[in-house]
Amino acid sequence: QSVLTQPPSASGTPGQRVTISCSGSSSNIGSNIVNWYQQLPGTAPRLLIYSNNQRPSGVPDRFSGSKSGTSASLAISGLQSEDEADYYCAAWDDSLNGHWVFGGGTKLTVL
Amino acid sequence: EVQLVESGGGLVQPGRSLRLSCAASGFTFDDYAMHWVRQGPGKGLEWVSGISWNSGSIGYADSVKGRFTISRDNAKNSLYLQMNSLRAEDTALYYCAKGRSVGWGTPSWFDPWGQGTLVTVSS
Repeated sequence: QSVLTQPPSASGTPGQRVTISCSGSSSNIGSNIVNWYQQLPGTAPRLLIYSNNQRPSGVPDRFSGSKSGTSASLAISGLQSEDEADYYCAAWDDSLNGHWVFGGGTKLTVL
Repeated sequence: EVQLVESGGGLVQPGRSLRLSCAASGFTFDDYAMHWVRQGPGKGLEWVSGISWNSGSIGYADSVKGRFTISRDNAKNSLYLQMNSLRAEDTALYYCAKGRSVGWGTPSWFDPWGQGTLVTVSS
């Protein structure tokens, strides 16, 4: 069971806006930044959003991140077929001398 | 271009050892912390271990503490993971990833990732 909680699946049609949630606690999301990773089928993960809401160069502005309290969200607007992938949130956890934790991942299906 | 290439994976019996390597290029290796992250078959991502730029600070997930040892050789631009007393639950694709700065803690993120090396623990 993952420390950060994500819905196992999400779906949308092309052009729609979808949101993926990530729920944590005061020791992780509540006190540290959240990062999001995208894993396309058969490939390594890549950084999608860092520091809650920042996009690395090359990531389309259709992707956005937000954080409030002990929860974070990833929003994808103008959904495209190539967005079909697994999405993971991650954060530092202050407990147990500090360590990194991930969400269980959300599989996004573009219908 | 930043590149990370893992190697050393394979099939190993429970209780045995294996050493993974990650060759880095395209950036000043000793300016950054490095990490190992694994992904079991059909499962999510799990952080395994992180090491600071000068090996002065190291962290492990509880699941591998006491069995795995992370190290780096800045002269060779290489990261390593020595895995001892391997268990079936260690079966996974092991990725190395570059941190944001010198330390392995927060604030940071993993970028980029290598393609991974597969470790299978089975008799």
